[in-house]
Amino acid sequence: EVQLVESGGGLVQPGGSLRLSCAASGFTFSTFEMDWVRQAPGKGLEWLSYISNGGSTTYYADSVKGRFTISRDDAKNLLYLQMNSLRDEDTAVYYCARDRRVCSGIYCYTHFDYWGQGTLVAVSS
Amino acid sequence: QSMLTQPPSASGTPGQRVTISCSGSTSNIGRNIVNWYQQLPGTAPKLLIYSNNQWPSGVPDRFSGSKSGTSASLAISGLQSEDEADYYCAAWDDSLKVWVFGGGTKLAVL
Repeated sequence: EVQLVESGGGLVQPGGSLRLSCAASGFTFSTFEMDWVRQAPGKGLEWLSYISNGGSTTYYADSVKGRFTISRDDAKNLLYLQMNSLRDEDTAVYYCARDRRVCSGIYCYTHFDYWGQGTLVAVSS
Repeated sequence: QSMLTQPPSASGTPGQRVTISCSGSTSNIGRNIVNWYQQLPGTAPKLLIYSNNQWPSGVPDRFSGSKSGTSASLAISGLQSEDEADYYCAAWDDSLKVWVFGGGTKLAVL
């Protein structure tokens, strides 16, 4: 059974740092691309970051570029999100999600087929 | 960053058919597939429809998706009370190199 379990959330002051982890099990983690998505209280979903299998390619939303860093440890089946210079507006539930790539001929498309339960990050003084 | 456009709310009575629209641009929906996610109250999002119109295992065929040009739609037929949830569309944006989500549609079953 595929499982994604986030941890590391909590209360942090503005300007502070936090590192989120996502423990993956039930599948060969190293072969899958992964993402982080967040949801501010009462708001919609916001995609944050992507990492390729192998970790060589990463993408970020403008809202977190330069402040957040996505990484992975395939030996430990862990996905990370290092969050620096945190702001009030970073308060949200943070989800990790697994990318599933489906190919038809030469075209391949991706969707998030499994999500973790989320971890809450609260930025406040 | 740009976001896909969804109506904030939708509603229907049990047994009815409802549709939720999702509007984007050439660089996202126009060039890529659309995925739909369902978020039941207090839970994590769950994949509902992928690649415009495909069902993941376990999703009933009461849910269906379609795409035309730079817009997509989610249709729910035979509406049930357990369908009350938030629904989000999402697509990859080739120009921005980001995933963009719709703002979400809250579905009420009256």
